[in-house]
Amino acid sequence: KAGVTQTPRYLIKTRGQQVTLSCSPISGHRSVSWYQQTPGQGLQFLFEYFSETQRNKGNFPGRFSGRQFSNSRSEMNVSTLELGDSALYLCASSLEVHTDTQYFGPGTRLTVL
Amino acid sequence: QQPVQSPQAVILREGEDAVINCSSSKALYSVHWYRQKHGEAPVFLMILLKGGEQKGHEKISASFNEKKQQSSLYLTASQLSYSGTYFCGTAEYDYKLSFGAGTTVTVRA
Repeated sequence: KAGVTQTPRYLIKTRGQQVTLSCSPISGHRSVSWYQQTPGQGLQFLFEYFSETQRNKGNFPGRFSGRQFSNSRSEMNVSTLELGDSALYLCASSLEVHTDTQYFGPGTRLTVL
Repeated sequence: QQPVQSPQAVILREGEDAVINCSSSKALYSVHWYRQKHGEAPVFLMILLKGGEQKGHEKISASFNEKKQQSSLYLTASQLSYSGTYFCGTAEYDYKLSFGAGTTVTVRA
């Protein structure tokens, strides 16, 4: 079975721009979660989607948004980029419920200049 | 509420044991353990649920003390492949995962 895929793997943007990251979960998985990982703040939960609905949201500003499509693929968007948004953005998929095993993708490394 | 992990780092020789602790000040629904190697994505190790259920697919054991809101991950007879950063993630009844700062484990031959 193919794993979680994320595109692009690397991205360089400038302050003020916006970015869209994509995540394709493992086939059959309906839940997708997004995380931000930085050296300073560690791993932080962004949001979770299940069946095209946002089921949970972390403590991030409204510049961070996401959506999930009917095929369970998910996108994450960050508008008006700031230097502090530079991070590794990880996507994880699981079958359905919160207690199912989460499988992480390789991440998208975003650098904001 | 971010859980507190200890120790921050541990160095082991192959075959030695270690314990990584994770504690929260909040009532927890579940504790999740992950290992991340440098430059790679986190890999699931185990979930421990309130009520005693556990799910894991590695030969690593863990415990969850519901009264103290503490979890411990036990690395027994460590192997070189155990090296990496271990994260605990805790979820309250809102199911939002909060992660600890991580424990760096180095296993030497």
